[in-house]
Amino acid sequence: DGGITQSPKYLFRKEGQNVTLSCEQNLNHDAMYWYRQDPGQGLRLIYYSQIVNDFQKGDIAEGYSVSREKKESFPLTVTSAQKNPTAFYLCASSIESALSTEAFFGQGTRLTVV
Amino acid sequence: KQEVTQIPAALSVPEGENLVLNCSFTDSAIYNLQWFRQDPGKGLTSLLLIQSSQREQTSGRLNASLDKSSGRSTLYIAASQPGDSATYLCAVNAGGTSYGKLTFGQGTILTVHP
Repeated sequence: DGGITQSPKYLFRKEGQNVTLSCEQNLNHDAMYWYRQDPGQGLRLIYYSQIVNDFQKGDIAEGYSVSREKKESFPLTVTSAQKNPTAFYLCASSIESALSTEAFFGQGTRLTVV
Repeated sequence: KQEVTQIPAALSVPEGENLVLNCSFTDSAIYNLQWFRQDPGKGLTSLLLIQSSQREQTSGRLNASLDKSSGRSTLYIAASQPGDSATYLCAVNAGGTSYGKLTFGQGTILTVHP
C-alpha cells in the first residue's frame, strides 16, 4: 500500500534529550513537510523540503532540525533547545507540481516530555 | 500573513441532519483549498481539494464550495451519520515557491449523535 509511515506512534523525551521522529513515504512525492499540532490549535509548519538535500524553515523551526538525504525519508529531530516539545507531530507529502498539489498525511507521532 | 478561521469551533447535531461548516481566509490569493478530516489521535485524511479556479467539489455526501473573492469556503455534509463525528480542518495553499505548503484553520469538532 502506498502511503506515509510515521514512527514511533508515541515517544517520550527526558529534559535535555534530543529525539528523532521518522517519516517515510513510498508515494514518489517530491515534497515533504513537518507540522506540529497543539490542542485547540491548527497545524503549524515546522520545516519543509521540496527536493533531496534541500529544506526550508517553516513558521516555528526554532529547536528543530531536519535532513533529506533520500527522497523517501524526512526525519525530524527535536533538540533540547525546543522548550515546549510536547505535541502531536504530523508528516505530510505532496507532488511538487502546479497540476497536483494534494497533500497526504501520516498517522502522527505524539511526543511527551517526562 | 494568511490567517484561516473556522466557525463554529464545535457542533453537535442529531443523526440525519444536513450541516454546514465554514472556513474563511484573509488573503484571497490562494492556489487551492483543501478540507481534511481528523479522528482523535490520528492523522489527517483528505476529503476534498478545490482549485482556485473552481467553485465547488463533491464527493458522496460531501460538497465543498469556494468563493475566493470573499475569502470563504463551506463544507456541506448531507444526511449526517454518527461515523461523521470527527474534527474537520480546512487549509489554504498559497502556491508560490512550494505548492504543498498549507495554512490551517483551528478546526471544527463535529459530533453526530444517534
